[in-house]
Amino acid sequence: EIVLTQSPGTLPLSPGERATLSCRASQSVSSNFLAWHQQKPGQAPRLLIYGASIRATDISDRFSGSGSGTDFTLTISRLEPEDFAVYYCQQYGSSPLTFGQGTRLEIK
Amino acid sequence: QVQLQESGPGLVKPSETLSLTCTVSGGSLSGYYLSWIRQSPGKRLEWIAYIYSGTTKYNPSVESRVSISVDTSANQFSLKLRSVTAADTAVYYCGLTADNRGGFDPWGQGTLVIVSS
Repeated sequence: EIVLTQSPGTLPLSPGERATLSCRASQSVSSNFLAWHQQKPGQAPRLLIYGASIRATDISDRFSGSGSGTDFTLTISRLEPEDFAVYYCQQYGSSPLTFGQGTRLEIK
Repeated sequence: QVQLQESGPGLVKPSETLSLTCTVSGGSLSGYYLSWIRQSPGKRLEWIAYIYSGTTKYNPSVESRVSISVDTSANQFSLKLRSVTAADTAVYYCGLTADNRGGFDPWGQGTLVIVSS
């Protein structure tokens, strides 16, 4: 099973700043099959990125994904108030599909 | 646009079977991996199972107790988890994955299932 470790656990930033979230895999993620999801309190997660760098439908271009192998990054270029949420990475290259423990992006 | 809605009992007794259904509206199930995912309090998201073109895949953590099925005519798919314990208390989500994409898109809104006597 591929274990995904996200850092930092909590990231305090201000609106307008740039956010960089990390996801490290315990082994290489096949074909860069890595997704990022956003979850706001009381809501279901929402897909942001798949294939490590492909934005999902209707996702703002402020969100970008990068990385390959075992190291992946989600960058939010200019934080808007609605971006403060929990972000999860998820690999779907091998079974069982697994998630990171999440990074909480909070307002500083 | 495709929307998902989970349904089923919110309270299940220990040792009994948890049964949930996901109803898909606004589109067809064809061409999608149909998954169940859960989120227990204080724990990370856990993928449980998927079904795709009649093929099923399960997380080893629950494989001996779980089954997933699809009713194409009703545009629904279902989860059964047997012999539940308090550790199975969670919000259960259904999700779709297009076969040329990844991740889960969309997710259902989730349904809380509490295992308690």
